Amino acid sequence: QVQLVHSGAEVKKPGASVKVSCKASGYSFINYHIHWVRQAPGQGLEWMGMINPSDDNTNYARKFLGRVTMTRDTSTGTVYMELSSLTSEDTAVYFCARERPGAINFDYWGQGTLVTVSS
Amino acid sequence: EIVLTQSPGTLSLSPGERATLSCRASQSVSSNNLAWYQQKPGLAPRLLIFAASSRATAIPDRFSGSGSGTDFTLTISRLEPEDSAVYYCQQFGSSQYTFGQGTKVEIK
Repeated sequence: QVQLVHSGAEVKKPGASVKVSCKASGYSFINYHIHWVRQAPGQGLEWMGMINPSDDNTNYARKFLGRVTMTRDTSTGTVYMELSSLTSEDTAVYFCARERPGAINFDYWGQGTLVTVSS
Repeated sequence: EIVLTQSPGTLSLSPGERATLSCRASQSVSSNNLAWYQQKPGLAPRLLIFAASSRATAIPDRFSGSGSGTDFTLTISRLEPEDSAVYYCQQFGSSQYTFGQGTKVEIK
């Protein structure tokens, strides 16, 4: 079955960077895009960007340009999202989600990684 | 960036009643590019509707989507207690995805 499994919770200090992973299994890794969506406590969903594992192309939300980097490792079926210059406003659950190219919807989601930014 | 505005913020209804959730876009959205998700506390979102009106796999037929242009609707025809959740619409345009702020459905 399709699974997207996140790395564990992180606690970071303001100004630091965080790198969260999402390991895919149960389907052909290179045939689906992976998106990152975050959710601050008690808030809604915010799209951060996506990566195409087949060619490493990325598309980032304008808000995060220059601060987010998404990469992939095809040998392990893992996608990474690194966010730099963290502030308390980056405290959120970070989800990865799968999209069939061109489908414009996210059919499977990971369980999420809580990132807490605190001094 | 296309802004999606959902209304109402909260809907409180009894089991068996009909729920109508609205999602209005700041500019026209292709129907192929509009989806709805359900999210329960502590869980990841779940895809309900894609391409404005197509139900995702294993979604009960009491969930339906409609609309075009700037106005889209998610209807839950007969509410069940397990439908208590927050519902989000999502669109893709100008190479960017955006979500609405969500509608919370409470079951009395």
